[in-house]
Amino acid sequence: AQKITQTQPGMFVQEKEAVTLDCTYDTSDPSYGLFWYKQPSSGEMIFLIYQGSYDQQNATEGRYSLNFQKARKSANLVISASQLGDSAMYFCAMREESLSNQFYFGTGTSLTVIP
Amino acid sequence: NAGVTQTPKFQVLKTGQSMTLQCAQDMNHEYMSWYRQDPGMGLRLIHYSVGAGITDQGEVPNGYNVSRSTTEDFPLRLLSAAPSQTSVYFCASSFSSGRARETQYFGPGTRLLVL
Repeated sequence: AQKITQTQPGMFVQEKEAVTLDCTYDTSDPSYGLFWYKQPSSGEMIFLIYQGSYDQQNATEGRYSLNFQKARKSANLVISASQLGDSAMYFCAMREESLSNQFYFGTGTSLTVIP
Repeated sequence: NAGVTQTPKFQVLKTGQSMTLQCAQDMNHEYMSWYRQDPGMGLRLIHYSVGAGITDQGEVPNGYNVSRSTTEDFPLRLLSAAPSQTSVYFCASSFSSGRARETQYFGPGTRLLVL
């Protein structure tokens, strides 16, 4: 079974609008971390935001927030007030604390911001 | 602080040739890993290490070898290159793998073409 599923291969959003990128995960480890990374066309991987499985509140970092629904095993990334520079690939990832020493990545969502 | 460095940036190989992709980090991270990124596949884990002298296989280890003689370096060896190994390779590192909240820091990537 896939550990991380991103079902949106491509998304479009109008500049200044908000957009939600979906991510669901699968784990039996009670302690885990969820991450989002951005990969612009230049190719580097940029860490955006983190959510811990025991965190009570949704994580926020500037215009990025993580809509964490533990019972549904989803960790959607919300980008508010989209900018042209947000056009990139976005990857959801998970790290299990005790079951394995690995990061698991989804297949990514390509976001295009339309002026 | 250079972070995670990778060399070379680009490489063209002929089928059957061998080569080593270099990765180094100066953040004293215990955990290091190698991924390959192919279109539509996201990042797939090749090998990882939780400390000097300790390595383990990831999702797609065949055709690759690793060793970890120091904390700083984690080279990836292609034993006999095949066209199927044409990909972008990322090295990443993080603090202790036992802490789920630790994000990974990525190198800039190596683009490999096998003819």
